[in-house]
Amino acid sequence: EDQVTQSPEALRLQEGESSSLNCSYTVSGLRGLFWYRQDPGKGPEFLFTLYSAGEEKEKERLKATLTKKESFLHITAPKPEDSATYLCAVQANTGFQKLVFGTGTRLLVSP
Amino acid sequence: EAQVTQNPRYLITVTGKKLTVTCSQNMNHEYMSWYRQDPGLGLRQIYYSMNVEVTDKGDVPEGYKVSRKEKRNFPLILESPSPNQTSLYFCASRDTGGNPEAFFGQGTRLTVV
Repeated sequence: EDQVTQSPEALRLQEGESSSLNCSYTVSGLRGLFWYRQDPGKGPEFLFTLYSAGEEKEKERLKATLTKKESFLHITAPKPEDSATYLCAVQANTGFQKLVFGTGTRLLVSP
Repeated sequence: EAQVTQNPRYLITVTGKKLTVTCSQNMNHEYMSWYRQDPGLGLRQIYYSMNVEVTDKGDVPEGYKVSRKEKRNFPLILESPSPNQTSLYFCASRDTGGNPEAFFGQGTRLTVV
């Protein structure tokens, strides 16, 4: 069974304090790994897709990396507006239809 | 503007009273799906549709129905809601071609009393 585990559940950072969020996954052949950002009361917003080990994607202060077992979302010099829940999801080769989500990491960045 | 629109945003209903949550997308996407989000359980897929008149069960389909009569619309139907269906519901759509990005609606917070 495909599974995604995210850690930590919650993370509190000071503005400018860089850190990383972890997404460990088991999947029967990875088609793609996705990162989403979710603000309170809103739907998830797409950030990145990673397809193969060694791949990296960047967007502003965020950088996503992928290995064969896990993905990291690195946040460099975060700002308060980066506060959100970050969700990781995987899609298996066997199923276009399904994204399997982790439970997310709640990030709070204090000024 | 590309968007997925859900209605209503908030709904309180009583056990057994049939309800429909609507979902509409303006991106001409073939693929649409419904998720529910519960604390500690994350997003779980209820139903999905690969195209008009093509629907299939996700991980937690019990107590739900869907239909896909038009490409843009994918309503979620609860024929006899129960308290364990109290949740936050999201509709999503995605292109079946090269772009994997899924667009989510704003969510519908449903409370069944």
